Amino acid sequence: GQQLNQSPQSMFIQEGEDVSMNCTSSSIFNTWLWYKQDPGEGPVLLIALYKAGELTSNGRLTAQFGITRKDSFLNISASIPSDVGIYFCAGQLLGNDMRFGAGTRLTVKP
Amino acid sequence: NAGVTQTPKFQVLKTGQSMTLQCAQDMNHNSMYWYRQDPGMGLRLIYYSASEGTTDKGEVPNGYNVSRLNKREFSLRLESAAPSQTSVYFCASSVILGEKLFFGSGTQLSVL
Repeated sequence: GQQLNQSPQSMFIQEGEDVSMNCTSSSIFNTWLWYKQDPGEGPVLLIALYKAGELTSNGRLTAQFGITRKDSFLNISASIPSDVGIYFCAGQLLGNDMRFGAGTRLTVKP
Repeated sequence: NAGVTQTPKFQVLKTGQSMTLQCAQDMNHNSMYWYRQDPGMGLRLIYYSASEGTTDKGEVPNGYNVSRLNKREFSLRLESAAPSQTSVYFCASSVILGEKLFFGSGTQLSVL
């Protein structure tokens, strides 16, 4: 099946710093999504990308759908303590189930 | 707005015991899913139901069964729990198969 490689596994940053994480796959996807999971909760959708090359922002978050359709990145600008959590990328082909990366655990030090 | 509701929140089982995890959504979604989350492995799909009356295996279905009771409810059953099934289980739903997922808050299951 499709395998997603998400990096880095974890990040420890200072409040105010920018964050970048990415996801790559050996397979192409039609949709890339980024989710965030707070402790003790289920993942919540942050950004959905539907077209190769698409660049989408949601507040301080920016995500891009790679031109090759095999990768995506997520940037968080000016991090704040509430950005703490696990970020998951997910890729999907039309009509098929969604595959998730292993997650990036983000810690923000005040 | 309840969204996706899972019960129980926590459960401890002994090896060989059985139990059913319940999930209900109030968003009139057609598709529902069960995932398990293990450290370093992300979310892996156990079973899904594209629409009421259908269920299909996902990536890791062994040891589990599901029932799509009606459009709202999708349950996951462990007939004979094993320590390898210790995990956090998430139910999710989407408008149709493959659309963005809405997750419940999870069930933390420990099998001793």
